Amino acid sequence: DGGITQSPKYLFRKEGQNVTLSCEQNLNHDAMYWYRQDPGQGLRLIYYSQIVNDFQKGDIAEGYSVSREKKESFPLTVTSAQKNPTAFYLCASRHTDTQYFGPGTRLTVL
Amino acid sequence: AQSVTQLGSHVSVSEGALVLLRCNYSSSVPPYLFWYVQYPNQGLQLLLKYTSAATLVKGINGFEAEFKKSETSFHLTKPSAHMSDAAEYFCAVRYSGAGSYQLTFGKGTKLSVIP
Repeated sequence: DGGITQSPKYLFRKEGQNVTLSCEQNLNHDAMYWYRQDPGQGLRLIYYSQIVNDFQKGDIAEGYSVSREKKESFPLTVTSAQKNPTAFYLCASRHTDTQYFGPGTRLTVL
Repeated sequence: AQSVTQLGSHVSVSEGALVLLRCNYSSSVPPYLFWYVQYPNQGLQLLLKYTSAATLVKGINGFEAEFKKSETSFHLTKPSAHMSDAAEYFCAVRYSGAGSYQLTFGKGTKLSVIP
């Protein structure tokens, strides 16, 4: 079954801790994306990667970091520098002109 | 900056009534346009897309959208609402020159269907 998986579905973090969100795809897509979704705000781009070992900052990259060591994996780390990390995080991969989304991870800072 | 405007953060319709969700973009050059649907605590699912072929685009679940260049609009419609259509809908635009096919999203419209 091809698709995009994100884990965990729910994540709780204490203030001052770094946390890593997983995104895996078996669609053989080159490009992958991370978005943040807040209520009433739509989706905002955090980072994207067009190819292995390359990634670019999106509109709201501050306080986040990524890596792209394998084609199928694009993990996102939310660092303690991110002042308001509570949000719903969505990963996507792209085939030609269309982005396809994973099920999301809801991060809550306690 | 390029933008996407979805008029109405909440829309309510009766079951069986017409669904109309509005989306306007800000460019004189026709972009690529997408509609996605999101059910609670889930990811986004592609409903349909316009990529400079036919101006009337048919999607899944009985939805369709019409690209109108003169109005810079790409409104989503469905002739008869079903209870299962209750969800949040996002319009997204890829503007010409956008690196790596970056999308600009509207803020979403939450659709409620009244029985």
